[in-house]
Amino acid sequence: GAGVSQTPSNKVTEKGKYVELRCDPISGHTALYWYRQSLGQGPEFLIYFQGTGAADDSGLPNDRFFAVRPEGSVSTLKIQRTERGDSAVYLCASSKWTSGSADTQYFGPGTRLTVL
Amino acid sequence: RKEVEQDPGPFNVPEGATVAFNCTYSNSASQSFFWYRQDCRKEPKLLMSVYSSGNEDGRFTAQLNRASQYISLLIRDSKLSDSATYLCVVNRMGNSGAGSYQLTFGKGTKLSVIP
Repeated sequence: GAGVSQTPSNKVTEKGKYVELRCDPISGHTALYWYRQSLGQGPEFLIYFQGTGAADDSGLPNDRFFAVRPEGSVSTLKIQRTERGDSAVYLCASSKWTSGSADTQYFGPGTRLTVL
Repeated sequence: RKEVEQDPGPFNVPEGATVAFNCTYSNSASQSFFWYRQDCRKEPKLLMSVYSSGNEDGRFTAQLNRASQYISLLIRDSKLSDSATYLCVVNRMGNSGAGSYQLTFGKGTKLSVIP
């Protein structure tokens, strides 16, 4: 079946610009996660959605970062006034939610963001 | 101290060798443990979960020691196709206290299997 998809696969922008990154989770997965992976590091948690609501946004680095999931499926990560330090691969993952805990998280291919 | 620490690597081993990866975690509230594999410029993929009783999947064996907060992965008879970065991952309770979902990753250890 179809996995997690993310668009665009690559995004190059200039410092100060606004960007939107899209994630389409696996059908039927109620939980959706965003992670950020910098070069040479493991992925770092940003935000988690259960359905339409952000259940935990404690990983967002500052208020320039915002994410939505208005219909409980597709999610958009929005970054305002981009900075060079925002350059990274942004990974989306989704999972089922059973018995009060998350099942295996499946990752999308990521969006490679480069801020010039 | 980082929440999940792994061998810095890289590991360069000949085909057929046995290689072991070590990992420690600092949060004793961690509930679930995994090894993920990540190929160059690809997304992480679950290799195997890790249980206290130890578990094996073909050439791969994972061990967990909760008392010492230590996780290991052993690869026997390594193949060229095993070349990748291996990520140690723990899953702990979220801030809301309901369920467990945040994955915390180590930096990863790169493995190159040489012909």
